[in-house]
Amino acid sequence: EAQVTQNPRYLITVTGKKLTVTCSQNMNHEYMSWYRQDPGLGLRQIYYSMNVEVTDKGDVPEGYKVSRKEKRNFPLILESPSPNQTSLYFCASTLGGVTDTQYFGPGTRLTVL
Amino acid sequence: GNSVTQMEGPVTLSEEAFLTINCTYTATGYPSLFWYVQYPGEGLQLLLKATKADDKGSNKGFEATYRKETTSFHLEKGSVQVSDSAVYFCALRPRYNNNDMRFGAGTRLTVKP
Repeated sequence: EAQVTQNPRYLITVTGKKLTVTCSQNMNHEYMSWYRQDPGLGLRQIYYSMNVEVTDKGDVPEGYKVSRKEKRNFPLILESPSPNQTSLYFCASTLGGVTDTQYFGPGTRLTVL
Repeated sequence: GNSVTQMEGPVTLSEEAFLTINCTYTATGYPSLFWYVQYPGEGLQLLLKATKADDKGSNKGFEATYRKETTSFHLEKGSVQVSDSAVYFCALRPRYNNNDMRFGAGTRLTVKP
C-alpha cells in the first residue's frame, strides 16, 4: 500500500529538549515536504527536499532542521523546541510534477511545554 | 506572491443540503488547483484537482471548476452526507515552482442528520 508514515503521532515535550519526527514514504517519490498546521492559518511549508541531499527552506523554517540521506526518509529535527512550535505537523511526498498529487502522512501533534 | 483564500467556517448543514465552499486564488500564470479533505485524526487526502482553465475536477459527488476569469475554484456538492463532515482545504501549485504549494486556511464542514 502506498503510504507516508510519521512517528510519533503524539508527543509532549519540554522547552529545549531536542526531538526528531520521522517521516518515510514507500512510493519512490523525489519530492518531500514538511508542513505545520495551525488554526486559521492552513498549512505552511517548513522545509522541502527535491532529492537526496537536496533540501531548501519553506515559509517558516526557523527553529527546524531536516535531512535527506535516503530517498524514502525525511526527518524533521527540532534542536531546541519552544512553545510556539506547538502544532500539528504533516509530512508529504509527491512525484514532483506541477499536476501531481501530494500524499500526506497522518500527522504528528506536538506540544511543547 | 501566490496565495489562496477560502471561505471561513465553520459550515453546518443538514443532510442532503447543497454545499458550496468558495475558494479564490492569486497566482502568476496557470497554476494547478486542488481540493484536499482532512477527516478527523487523519492527514490530508486529495479530493479533486484541475490543471488548466475550464477544467472540472470531480470525485465522490464533489465538483469544482477552474475559472481563470474569476480566479476561483469553488467546491460544490449537491447533497451532502454526514460522512462528508471534515475540513476542506483549497490549494494551488504554480507551474514555475513545484515546491511552492499554497493552502487556504481550511473550512470545517459539519453535516447533521
